[in-house]
Amino acid sequence: NAGVTQTPKFQVLKTGQSMTLQCAQDMNHNSMYWYRQDPGMGLRLIYYSASEGTTDKGEVPNGYNVSRLNKREFSLRLESAAPSQTSVYFCASSVKGARTDTQYFGPGTRLTVL
Amino acid sequence: LAKTTQPISMDSYEGQEVNITCSHNNIATNDYITWYQQFPSQGPRFIIQGYKTKVTNEVASLFIPADRKSSTLSLPRVSLSDTAVYYCLADTGGFKTIFGAGTRLFVKA
Repeated sequence: NAGVTQTPKFQVLKTGQSMTLQCAQDMNHNSMYWYRQDPGMGLRLIYYSASEGTTDKGEVPNGYNVSRLNKREFSLRLESAAPSQTSVYFCASSVKGARTDTQYFGPGTRLTVL
Repeated sequence: LAKTTQPISMDSYEGQEVNITCSHNNIATNDYITWYQQFPSQGPRFIIQGYKTKVTNEVASLFIPADRKSSTLSLPRVSLSDTAVYYCLADTGGFKTIFGAGTRLFVKA
């Protein structure tokens, strides 16, 4: 099992460009998440998908859109990148979002917006 | 969602036991306490989870007193490879998990 995979690992964008971050998990988990982590800070939830076919906003959703393509894949799209979106983006998955659920994280995508 | 407070940083030496305390005064009856570990340039990794009293696994122990207003993560005999950021989470009630800034543990030789 590869667990949670993310592509790309690194990306540099110019202000106003768009891009999609890809995430896939092979653990048959129902729930998936997107976080961002700024230098020296904790993780902040952008969007989550409780189950296939549903998505909901997290703490910092502005400037992002998501798609739960199927049970395995959850993508994050930046329509018009801004320097404030320079960050490391982590995707995670969990079995079902229960109180005792453990989240499994991908390796992250380091995004720089110039 | 319960807010947690933990020290910003801690230093230790190899072979010592490290205890990181987390305060969660507003924890709800159904909330669990969960700890994650994050190495540089990696995503967080689950360490341990508990509800009350003591939980132990191959990596750490978690002590939770009866009032559940705080908890302590105990790492026995740390090594250099335990240098990481440790996050305490209270309320793993599904989806809107809140990671604070965590505690940066630096283990010295």
